[in-house]
Amino acid sequence: GAGVSQSPSNKVTEKGKDVELRCDPISGHTALYWYRQSLGQGLEFLIYFQGNSAPDKSGLPSDRFSAERTGGSVSTLTIQRTQQEDSAVYLCASSLAGRAGGWNEQFFGPGTRLTVL
Amino acid sequence: AQTVTQSQPEMSVQEAETVTLSCTYDTSESDYYLFWYKQPPSRQMILVIRQEAYKQQNATENRFSVNFQKAAKSFSLKISDSQLGDAAMYFCAYGITTTSGTYKYIFGTGTRLKVLA
Repeated sequence: GAGVSQSPSNKVTEKGKDVELRCDPISGHTALYWYRQSLGQGLEFLIYFQGNSAPDKSGLPSDRFSAERTGGSVSTLTIQRTQQEDSAVYLCASSLAGRAGGWNEQFFGPGTRLTVL
Repeated sequence: AQTVTQSQPEMSVQEAETVTLSCTYDTSESDYYLFWYKQPPSRQMILVIRQEAYKQQNATENRFSVNFQKAAKSFSLKISDSQLGDAAMYFCAYGITTTSGTYKYIFGTGTRLKVLA
């Protein structure tokens, strides 16, 4: 079956512009994560969606970052008034619903490389 | 604070030889999971191996094995009979189940592995 897909693959924008990054998770996966991977850094957690529950936004670095998940499937990460320090690879991952005491593998998309000039 | 440390930014190994990548973590949790992910140039994160903290036996997946030392909070990855296709960025990650039954993952900064022919 299809894996996690992300679009666009690469995005170049000018400082101050808004950008939208899209993630299509694996069908049936109710958990969805966004991460940011900056050069030389690990994956930085941004936001987490689980079914109809309120998202965990604790990783969003500023109020310029927001994300939505429509119909429990596709998710969009929006960065407003982009800054040069926003340049990074943005990775999306999905998994089956979490369960206490258990574990479900995260499946990652190929990421979107964002470059802010 | 929950942190994951990979102290080796880059490692090299001769083809067919064995290499060990180190990882340490800091947590006050007693029940958690540990992972090694591989990220080739395609950016697609691939799960290599995982270990449940409550299991004393070290996980093994073909040429990949871990040395899990819970008391020392150490989780190293050993790659035996290294192949050119093993060249990638390797990330150590730590995962916990939150009280709401969801999952949170913390990633290290990665180790770039070069395989020499």
